[in-house]
Amino acid sequence: EAGVTQFPSHSVIEKGQTVTLRCDPISGHDNLYWYRRVMGKEIKFLLHFVKESKQDESGMPNNRFLAERTGGTYSTLKVQPAELEDSGVYFCASSQEAGAYTDTQYFGPGTRLTVL
Amino acid sequence: EDKVVQSPLSLVVHEGDTVTLNCSYEVTNFRSLLWYKQEKKAPTFLFMLTSSGIEKKSGRLSSILDKKELFSILNITATQTGDSAIYLCAVLGYSSASKIIFGSGTRLSIRP
Repeated sequence: EAGVTQFPSHSVIEKGQTVTLRCDPISGHDNLYWYRRVMGKEIKFLLHFVKESKQDESGMPNNRFLAERTGGTYSTLKVQPAELEDSGVYFCASSQEAGAYTDTQYFGPGTRLTVL
Repeated sequence: EDKVVQSPLSLVVHEGDTVTLNCSYEVTNFRSLLWYKQEKKAPTFLFMLTSSGIEKKSGRLSSILDKKELFSILNITATQTGDSAIYLCAVLGYSSASKIIFGSGTRLSIRP
């Protein structure tokens, strides 16, 4: 069974440009999460989709970040315009049943974003 | 505010040694505590702990949770170079839906 995949693995852009990150969850997982790790800090939650609906977007830093999950399959996270402080590793995770007591989130390899 | 504190931040030991990694937490309406291992890329799931005093084991790795003291440890016995990684502790609370709160991790290096 394929795990969570993310594309690209690494992106280098200039300040002010736009970048779109993609995440493909494990097949059959309705729940999809985005997290981010900026330099020297812990991994932090950005948002949670249940199918195509945003369940919790309390971690989104500002309106330069837009996440979508059309059709409830893969998700994209767009940063527009990118700022220097957006540099970091963006992780995606998926799980089967978010409310279940033993629900486990499985993580993708991350996209390393560098904004110059 | 929910938080997770891990110690030590980094640790270097020799192959064959036993290590203990620590994790303390504060979370509203605790649901579970998670341990992940991160090598080069994706954090990979190790354990989920929900009850105090019940040890979870997987090979040379084991973990236990103390819900009274808000503490968990991860033990690795007979360490191997392949155990070198960042070990992440995280918690889930019922009030935070499915938002995982991560600690900063312990970077473990095993020397041959």
